[in-house]
Amino acid sequence: EAGVTQSPTHLIKTRGQQATLRCSPISGHTSVYWYQQALGLGLQFLLWYDEGEERNRGNFPPRFSGRQFPNYSSELNVNALELEDSALYLCASSFTGLRNIQYFGAGTRLSVL
Amino acid sequence: AQKITQTQPGMFVQEKEAVTLDCTYDTSDPSYGLFWYKQPSSGEMIFLIYQGSYDQQNATEGRYSLNFQKARKSANLVISASQLGDSAMYFCAMREDFGNEKLTFGTGTRLTIIP
Repeated sequence: EAGVTQSPTHLIKTRGQQATLRCSPISGHTSVYWYQQALGLGLQFLLWYDEGEERNRGNFPPRFSGRQFPNYSSELNVNALELEDSALYLCASSFTGLRNIQYFGAGTRLSVL
Repeated sequence: AQKITQTQPGMFVQEKEAVTLDCTYDTSDPSYGLFWYKQPSSGEMIFLIYQGSYDQQNATEGRYSLNFQKARKSANLVISASQLGDSAMYFCAMREDFGNEKLTFGTGTRLTIIP
């Protein structure tokens, strides 16, 4: 069974540009989560999507946005890129329930120059 | 206040020895979940083990066990018979306020297994 897949693996952008990151969840999972892992800041929760709706949002500015498609895959968009947006962006998926184990992909490493 | 505290930035352990990675947490929510993840240098976060706040027994998954001491608010990960492939970053995480679903992570412990 395929795990969570993320694309691209690496992304290089310049300041002010937009970045789009993609995530395909494990088959059968309806929830997708996005986390940012920046140097010195640790892992920070970004967004949670379930059944196509944004359910929860971390403490990030509105230029971080996303969506979830009918097949439960998800996109994270980062507009007006800033240097400090350089980070590893991890996507996770789960089947919402009492235990709700979040399974992660390998991440997209975004570098903003 | 830190919700998840991992006080060991780095640890070196001899191969085949057992190792304990410390994690303490802070929550006033009676219902919460505790998780351990492993992150090799490749970047992927690998789920290791889960403990629910109402679980009566400590969780075990193969060589991994979670030493859950609710009154002390600690959830230490024990790895038995360590292997070279265990070298990685290890993160403790908590989910509180069910319905919120976000994970709060500690700062991690870098474990290095010495042959």
